[in-house]
Amino acid sequence: DVKVTQSSRYLVKRTGEKVFLECVQDMDHENMFWYRQDPGLGLRLIYFSYDVKMKEKGDIPEGYSVSREKKERFSLILESASTNQTSMYLCASSPGGGRARDTGELFFGEGSRLTVL
Amino acid sequence: AQSVTQLGSHVSVSEGALVLLRCNYSSSVPPYLFWYVQYPNQGLQLLLKYTTGATLVKGINGFEAEFKKSETSFHLTKPSAHMSDAAEYFCAVSRSSGGYNKLIFGAGTRLAVHP
Repeated sequence: DVKVTQSSRYLVKRTGEKVFLECVQDMDHENMFWYRQDPGLGLRLIYFSYDVKMKEKGDIPEGYSVSREKKERFSLILESASTNQTSMYLCASSPGGGRARDTGELFFGEGSRLTVL
Repeated sequence: AQSVTQLGSHVSVSEGALVLLRCNYSSSVPPYLFWYVQYPNQGLQLLLKYTTGATLVKGINGFEAEFKKSETSFHLTKPSAHMSDAAEYFCAVSRSSGGYNKLIFGAGTRLAVHP
């Protein structure tokens, strides 16, 4: 069964800590995404990547960075966590290959719920 | 710019009743449209999608949606609600940017099903 796996389902961190959220997909997808989900706001795109070592900012990149050293792995980094980053974080992937092949359909992980105290 | 509006953040139905979740989109080009479902403490799962062809799309768990270009709508329906349908539902439209497609999501509709 193909999967997107997020390493931590629940995390509790303190303000100012550096936080790593890891995501791995086994579908050989080119595209990977990080969203955050907050009640009433839906899903908001933080960063995405179309290839190894490539990244692009989404709609709310402030306070976050990402790393994609291998095709299957996409990491979200909070350099100095703050309480307003308490949220559900969702990783997703899509096949890629350009507009002719990729409708944009996303395959999601189970989510990582981060609490910053 | 593409956007998605889901009418009603909370919908409550009786078990066995019709489920209707509304979604309207704005798009300057023919869109790809999606419905996802999220059960508590889980990620999002694809229910159904419209890309091309037949405008009535059938998905999993008895759900279906109809793409109506003239109304810019993609409402989700199910003839008879089941308790297990209680979840949050997200409508999404595909946005083209830089030669790639990305999804823009609505704010979500939480469906409650009561006996």
